[in-house]
Amino acid sequence: GEDVEQSLFLSVREGDSSVINCTYTDSSSTYLYWYKQEPGAGLQLLTYIFSNMDMKQDQRLTVLLNKKDKHLSLRIADTQTGDSAIYFCAEKGGGNKLTFGTGTQLKVEL
Amino acid sequence: DADVTQTPRNRITKTGKRIMLECSQTKGHDRMYWYRQDPGLGLQLIYYSFDVKDINKGEISDGYSVSRQAQAKFSLSLESAIPNQTALYFCATSGTRDGEQFFGPGTRLTVL
Repeated sequence: GEDVEQSLFLSVREGDSSVINCTYTDSSSTYLYWYKQEPGAGLQLLTYIFSNMDMKQDQRLTVLLNKKDKHLSLRIADTQTGDSAIYFCAEKGGGNKLTFGTGTQLKVEL
Repeated sequence: DADVTQTPRNRITKTGKRIMLECSQTKGHDRMYWYRQDPGLGLQLIYYSFDVKDINKGEISDGYSVSRQAQAKFSLSLESAIPNQTALYFCATSGTRDGEQFFGPGTRLTVL
């Protein structure tokens, strides 16, 4: 079955880089996603990567995909206080169903 | 205006009551989903619908039912609410092959 795991918490200083990690088990996943949830809000798509890619960069965000180890990471460069949120990775299964990880709470300290 | 709206945003109810949560979307998407979010558990899929005549159970459908009244509307019902259904509920839509889902703002439900 599909199972997506993330560490629950990450704390970084403002200006440092944040790296949020995710492991998944469904090797047939075609798309992998990173969603951001700010307090009191729904999830918003940050970025996604197609399974035949190793890396995708979008401004301060870098996604790395290691298909062999089924490992996905999100790096946020120059982390700001506005980046404090819960970050979810998700993998796409059949019927556009997404399986979400448990979420990583990112806290950015001054 | 928001593309995916949910009503109510907050609801407190008592054990045994029937509750309906509503979701509307203006994105023109065929696919709609209901999730619940519990701390430390991420999002769990309750039900999903590919179109008005196609409704499917998700991981945790027991105790819930849904109705797809129109392409734009997908409601979630708790026939007899119980305290462990206290959670944050999200509706989402999807219309593209890449699977991106668009989420509503959520409904916080408390069952006493």
